[in-house]
Amino acid sequence: EVQLEESGGGLVQPGGSLRLSCAASGFTLNSHAMSWVRQAPGKGLEWVSVLTGGGGTTYYADSVKGRFTISGDISTNTLYLQMNSLRAEDTAVYYCAKKTGFTNSSPYYWGQGTLVTVSS
Amino acid sequence: SYVLTQPPSVSVAPGKTATITCGGNNIGSKSVHWYQQQPGQAPVVVIYYDNDRPSGIPERFSGSNSGNTATLTISRVEAGDEADYYCHVWDNTGDHPEVFGGGTKLTVL
Repeated sequence: EVQLEESGGGLVQPGGSLRLSCAASGFTLNSHAMSWVRQAPGKGLEWVSVLTGGGGTTYYADSVKGRFTISGDISTNTLYLQMNSLRAEDTAVYYCAKKTGFTNSSPYYWGQGTLVTVSS
Repeated sequence: SYVLTQPPSVSVAPGKTATITCGGNNIGSKSVHWYQQQPGQAPVVVIYYDNDRPSGIPERFSGSNSGNTATLTISRVEAGDEADYYCHVWDNTGDHPEVFGGGTKLTVL
């Protein structure tokens, strides 16, 4: 059974850093593309970053490019999102999501999310 | 970058049919997925690859995709269908490949 468990969220001051983790089980991390998608309070889904299958390519939304870094550790089957220079507008629930198939056009299976609050 | 446009809200009476649209330039050439998100919960796919339905999703949910519009149709709407719905595509024409619509709040009257 596929499971995704996010952790690492919390309260951080503007300009600070945080690293989110997504512990994956039931599949091998680099076999499927995986994304981080966030949802600000009362807002819609906003794609943040994707790590394509095989871990070969990364993409970022303009809003986080240069500040966030997505990576995966096959030895622990964990997906990460390193978030630096955090801003108030980064406040959101961050979801880890796995492609259900082997193609980039596949839909996502989602974790339960972890809340990040950026505030002084 | 590619943009998907959804109506912010749709209202429907119980037992009637709800139609939620997702507009995008030549979206008919892409594979569209639809997610349902209940309050406080993670999204769940209800339609994938335009019109396929995962196991456990009622037959009342269906999808179509042609031209510049993809559509999620919910027949015989029930109170439990009240939720936010998002369309999603992979766009391989640029470096922002994952695109979500803005979401539609379905209200059951």
